[in-house]
Amino acid sequence: AQSVAQPEDQVNVAEGNPLTVKCTYSVSGNPYLFWYVQYPNRGLQFLLKYITGDNLVKGSYGFEAEFNKSQTSFHLKKPSALVSDSALYFCAVRLLGGYNKLIFGAGTRLAVHP
Amino acid sequence: NAGVTQTPKFQVLKTGQSMTLQCAQDMNHNSMYWYRQDPGMGLRLIYYSASEGTTDKGEVPNGYNVSRLNKREFSLRLESAAPSQTSVYFCASSEGNRGLEQYFGPGTRLTVT
Repeated sequence: AQSVAQPEDQVNVAEGNPLTVKCTYSVSGNPYLFWYVQYPNRGLQFLLKYITGDNLVKGSYGFEAEFNKSQTSFHLKKPSALVSDSALYFCAVRLLGGYNKLIFGAGTRLAVHP
Repeated sequence: NAGVTQTPKFQVLKTGQSMTLQCAQDMNHNSMYWYRQDPGMGLRLIYYSASEGTTDKGEVPNGYNVSRLNKREFSLRLESAAPSQTSVYFCASSEGNRGLEQYFGPGTRLTVT
């Protein structure tokens, strides 16, 4: 079965430090992978996607993600965290053969402390 | 450009009542989606509409119906609400079947007592 796992419920980081939010996936074929962010009482906002090409994908607000096919991972990273980055982050994978249908991970809450 | 809009923002229903959640997008997108978000479970797809005139079941369709009224609007109906349908509901849209990102509305928080 196709699935997405976010192994950490919460990640705590000090402001200015690098951050990583982990995501692993299990899909057939070549995956389409996405990261979304959700701020309190808001809908999800698209951050970045991997379709094909360079394994390092750059997105909005200084975030980037590294696609690793051998480890079936798509970790979200940022070199220097901001307090305003505190939010809920979701990894998602497009279902193979499913019309742009996405499976979402359970979400990881990122808390950046001053 | 409002993007994706949803009404209402909040709703409280009694078990057995019915209601319709409204969604509209002004981005001329072909595809629209309804999700529910529950704590610790991420988002789960209820129904989607690949294009105007078509709808298909997602992961958790039971207890729901949808209508793609036109290209802009996609409504979600609960015919007989149950406490298990207490959730936050999100509508989303995308250009179509090209692996492009989905754009989300602000959500409707529904409580069924």
